[in-house]
Amino acid sequence: ELKVEQNPLFLSMQEGKNYTIYCNYSTTSDRLYWYRQDPGKSLESLFVLLSNGAVKQEGRLMASLDTKARLSTLHITAAVHDLSATYFCAVDRDDKIIFGKGTRLHILP
Amino acid sequence: EPEVTQTPSHQVTQMGQEVILRCVPISNHLYFYWYRQILGQKVEFLVSFYNNEISEKSEIFDDQFSVERPDGSNFTLKIRSTKLEDSAMYFCASRTILAGQETQYFGPGTRLLVL
Repeated sequence: ELKVEQNPLFLSMQEGKNYTIYCNYSTTSDRLYWYRQDPGKSLESLFVLLSNGAVKQEGRLMASLDTKARLSTLHITAAVHDLSATYFCAVDRDDKIIFGKGTRLHILP
Repeated sequence: EPEVTQTPSHQVTQMGQEVILRCVPISNHLYFYWYRQILGQKVEFLVSFYNNEISEKSEIFDDQFSVERPDGSNFTLKIRSTKLEDSAMYFCASRTILAGQETQYFGPGTRLLVL
């Protein structure tokens, strides 16, 4: 059974600091997604990671994938208040997609 | 920019009633999905759909649920006899078949409240 664990679930951090969100999953996968969700809104796709060693960056966010360790990370560099949101990872295996519980990120000005 | 649309944005229904949630995926996409999110909780996969049939479904997607692509543009989720615990935000998503473009695009959601 595919399980996805995200940590931390809550993160409060100062602007300008760096931090990493971790996503562990239990079986092999076809794709790994990272999404952002603002309160009351839909999900915004951030990254899709397909292969071992994949690294993608967009602005202050960088995602990586280690399929051997079954681990993906979302790294935030020099956080700014606008990045406050809930971040979800999701793992796709044979078109069945399991989400982590999400990391609620609060960036203090 | 193309986007996934969903109607209605909100729906209130009585327990035991049938509801149909509608989605219009992005036009050249061939994979379609339904998810739900109970307030404040994680996103739960319901079903994936490709080539006019269900690819995968979760344990939540029991006999009370069905999906249909009645024409070339709409993708619907039907709940036959709603329960209180069906109250949630329902999201539709779609993606293209093209390799290297696996991003799933989510619609704005339908907030369903079962009384």
